[in-house]
Amino acid sequence: GDSVTQMEGPVTLSEEAFLTINCTYTATGYPSLFWYVQYPGEGLQLLLKATKADDKGSNKGFEATYRKETTSFHLEKGSVQVSDSAVYFCALISGGGADGLTFGKGTHLIIQP
Amino acid sequence: NAGVMQNPRHLVRRRGQEARLRCSPMKGHSHVYWYRQLPEEGLKFMVYLQKENIIDESGMPKERFSAEFPKEGPSILRIQQVVRGDSAAYFCASSPPGTGQEKLFFGSGTQLSVL
Repeated sequence: GDSVTQMEGPVTLSEEAFLTINCTYTATGYPSLFWYVQYPGEGLQLLLKATKADDKGSNKGFEATYRKETTSFHLEKGSVQVSDSAVYFCALISGGGADGLTFGKGTHLIIQP
Repeated sequence: NAGVMQNPRHLVRRRGQEARLRCSPMKGHSHVYWYRQLPEEGLKFMVYLQKENIIDESGMPKERFSAEFPKEGPSILRIQQVVRGDSAAYFCASSPPGTGQEKLFFGSGTQLSVL
């Protein structure tokens, strides 16, 4: 079945550091890929998505590129802020979405001033 | 424009009791999804409903769990005779018509603790 593997946290960085959160996947067919973010006390919010190979999703300074050859969708940001502290989930949907999104376990990101 | 509303935020039950979790989708959204997040795990799909219809319940445990989305009122996830293993965060999400799960809006979740 489908699966998503993302780097375990917590990941602790200083403000203005470069961020990479790795995500790899296995899926049948050609999935759509997503990053969701969960701020403390809130529900998950869609951060960005990509629906086909080589697409780049971007939002709020975050980027991720759909790499079919390496089955990866790594999340990057050039300069993180304290307000980026949250849990980040990589997810995919395939096969028409009948079975719902498949999520990774989440990566807790902590940004220190 | 209120988001997806879930209540209660926290629910404590003793083993054998019933748990009822409520979800009101965003205004204009007719599709509701329930996900469960066990400790140290990612979210797992449980069930997908439209008004008065269960579209896909492939992720629901076969026993004790049920879900509904009536014509009027919120969607309800019901867990009968809860056990400790049911302790988890339960998230509801909704989507506008025609977007499927490509554009989900999540609630803040209900944290169920079974003593």
